[in-house]
Amino acid sequence: DQQVKQNSPSLSVQEGRISILNCDYTNSMFDYFLWYKKYPAEGPTFLISISSIKDKNEDGRFTVFLNKSAKHLSLHIVPSQPGDSAVYFCAASASQGAQKLVFGQGTRLTINP
Amino acid sequence: GAVVSQHPSRVICKSGTSVKIECRSLDFQATTMFWYRQFPKQSLMLMATSNEGSKATYEQGVEKDKFLINHASLTLSTLTVTSAHPEDSSFYICSARDGRPGYTFGSGTRLTVV
Repeated sequence: DQQVKQNSPSLSVQEGRISILNCDYTNSMFDYFLWYKKYPAEGPTFLISISSIKDKNEDGRFTVFLNKSAKHLSLHIVPSQPGDSAVYFCAASASQGAQKLVFGQGTRLTINP
Repeated sequence: GAVVSQHPSRVICKSGTSVKIECRSLDFQATTMFWYRQFPKQSLMLMATSNEGSKATYEQGVEKDKFLINHASLTLSTLTVTSAHPEDSSFYICSARDGRPGYTFGSGTRLTVV
C-alpha cells in the first residue's frame, strides 16, 4: 500500500522557468511533510518541510504548498537552475515528533539549459 | 551543519557472508537512527528504527535475524546483513534527527552480493 505517491517519475523544465513537483498521500494521520533532493549514490538532502497547520511554506527559491482536503502537496522551484537536476522525494510522517517517515517513489527533475 | 557519516560507501561480498555498515553522527548525539533500503528506481523503504541502548524496532516484513542492528552509543549505529544473498543487493541508507526540521541522511552504502 503506497501511502505517499509521486505519480510523475520524471519532469523536464527549461532553465529559469518554474518546476512543479507533485505528491499525493492517502493517510489522513499524516501531519508533517518534507521534500528531499537526492543525487545518485548519495543520501537525500532535506529541502523544505511543512506542517499541516499551514498551507504554504517558502524558503528562497523553494515553496511547498499543502492542500489537506485534497491530500496533495507540491514543491515549486523558481527560477529553476541546472543544479536543481536531481531526484526529488516527498515524505510524510504522522507527527513531527514521531520520526518515522514514509517516502514517495521520487520524481527525476531535469533542468535544460 | 549536522553530518551523518556512513561507511562503507560501496561493498561487494560473496553470497553467504556477512557485511557490517556503520552510521555515525559526527557533531550531534542521535538517540534514534533509521535504516532504509532503496531498490533501483524505487522509494526509500524504512527497515528499522535503531534506539540507543535498546532493541531496534523492525518494520513489517523485515527479518530481524537477518538485518542485525546495534546502537551501542549515542553516535554510532550499525547494520549487519547476515548470510547475504544476491536479493539483498541494494542501497542502504541511515538517517538521524538532529533537532532541526527534517532528518540528516548518510551518504548510503551500495551493497552487491555475488
